Amino acid sequence: GESVGLHLPTLSVQEGDNSIINCAYSNSASDYFIWYKQESGKGPQFIIDIRSNMDKRQGQRVTVLLNKTVKHLSLQIAATQPGDSAVYFCAVNQGGKLIFGQGTELSVKP
Amino acid sequence: DVKVTQSSRYLVKRTGEKVFLECVQDMDHENMFWYRQDPGLGLRLIYFSYDVKMKEKGDIPEGYSVSREKKERFSLILESASTNQTSMYLCASSAFSVPYEQYFGPGTRLTVT
Repeated sequence: GESVGLHLPTLSVQEGDNSIINCAYSNSASDYFIWYKQESGKGPQFIIDIRSNMDKRQGQRVTVLLNKTVKHLSLQIAATQPGDSAVYFCAVNQGGKLIFGQGTELSVKP
Repeated sequence: DVKVTQSSRYLVKRTGEKVFLECVQDMDHENMFWYRQDPGLGLRLIYFSYDVKMKEKGDIPEGYSVSREKKERFSLILESASTNQTSMYLCASSAFSVPYEQYFGPGTRLTVT
């Protein structure tokens, strides 16, 4: 089966800096990857996704990078803002079900 | 906007009680999911459903059951609540065409005493 892990449970960055959150997965056949953001007291919110036939995908201030060779993906947030403070989860598609990592809590210092 | 609503934000129940958690989505999604979220364990799938009257076990179904009588509603049932079922419960839905693009409700924090 699939397992998903995150490298750091917490990350603290200065406002305005770039943030990088990492995630590793185990199944090389995984075809779809998603990043979610969960703010305090709320359910996870879809941020961005990437298919396995892509290496990079950009959204608004966010970029997801996929390295299939080492089974690693990352979420980059540009010019991190206080509103970006949340827990970030990566998730991997497994036959229509999602396998989630444990989450990285991002704190933004003013 | 996709909206997934859950019947309660906070719930306190006693050991042995039967507990119903309700979830409703308004996007005509075929797929619905129930997860529990615990510190250090992330989100774990309890049950899911791809259609009305249909259900599939997730990774941790023991102690739970589900009901889907209407497309928009998915209920999670704890037949006899136990203290180890104290957790945050999250409902999600997705379209059949993009099952991995799941939309979550705000969660129900259940405490079993």
